[in-house]
Amino acid sequence: GAVVSQHPSWVICKSGTSVKIECRSLDFQATTMFWYRQFPKQSLMLMATSNEGSKATYEQGVEKDKFLINHASLTLSTLTVTSAHPEDSSFYICSAGQGWNTEAFFGQGTRLTVV
Amino acid sequence: AQSVAQPEDQVNVAEGNPLTVKCTYSVSGNPYLFWYVQYPNRGLQFLLKYITGDNLVKGSYGFEAEFNKSQTSFHLKKPSALVSDSALYFCAVKSLDFGNEKLTFGTGTRLTIIP
Repeated sequence: GAVVSQHPSWVICKSGTSVKIECRSLDFQATTMFWYRQFPKQSLMLMATSNEGSKATYEQGVEKDKFLINHASLTLSTLTVTSAHPEDSSFYICSAGQGWNTEAFFGQGTRLTVV
Repeated sequence: AQSVAQPEDQVNVAEGNPLTVKCTYSVSGNPYLFWYVQYPNRGLQFLLKYITGDNLVKGSYGFEAEFNKSQTSFHLKKPSALVSDSALYFCAVKSLDFGNEKLTFGTGTRLTIIP
């Protein structure tokens, strides 16, 4: 299947700093990528849909100024957690597909810990 | 609107026994159904999908799932469980409306295979 690479796998940052997470589709082009957040022992919560060349579409309740998404090319989307706080600590996962009628492929996830 | 229900948070099965992980869904129009597996601190791995055709779908690692339209179910099955099957399993759905790439996930079922 297609490969989606997410980096870093884990990051620890100080409260108040910003963290960037990258999501790359390695062997296909993705006009749309998705960013999820997963709390311990819970399901995936869709945060936003990242659209190449245009603004991201955020789900209700997700602060767009805090979770900045950039989809600058057909193979790269980035999520920046700005002014991170301990409550932002979570597991963040990206996904991409090769079209609306295909399955999504997921990155390895990023464990963010804000101290 | 679309939704997925996984009624069991935890399923325990003895090694070598058959296993079933339950999933029911709700979607307008025809469904596009998926099963994913997640290992600790990792992203989701695609197992199998149903879009149309034969109601019994075969996927990776010996897993299969049966689509039942009348019961709106898509249960995951395997004839003989392995200890290595222990993981978190997610059912997901999206409608087959053109352009809809947004997946909705169930809450997940933790499968434990007992040696």
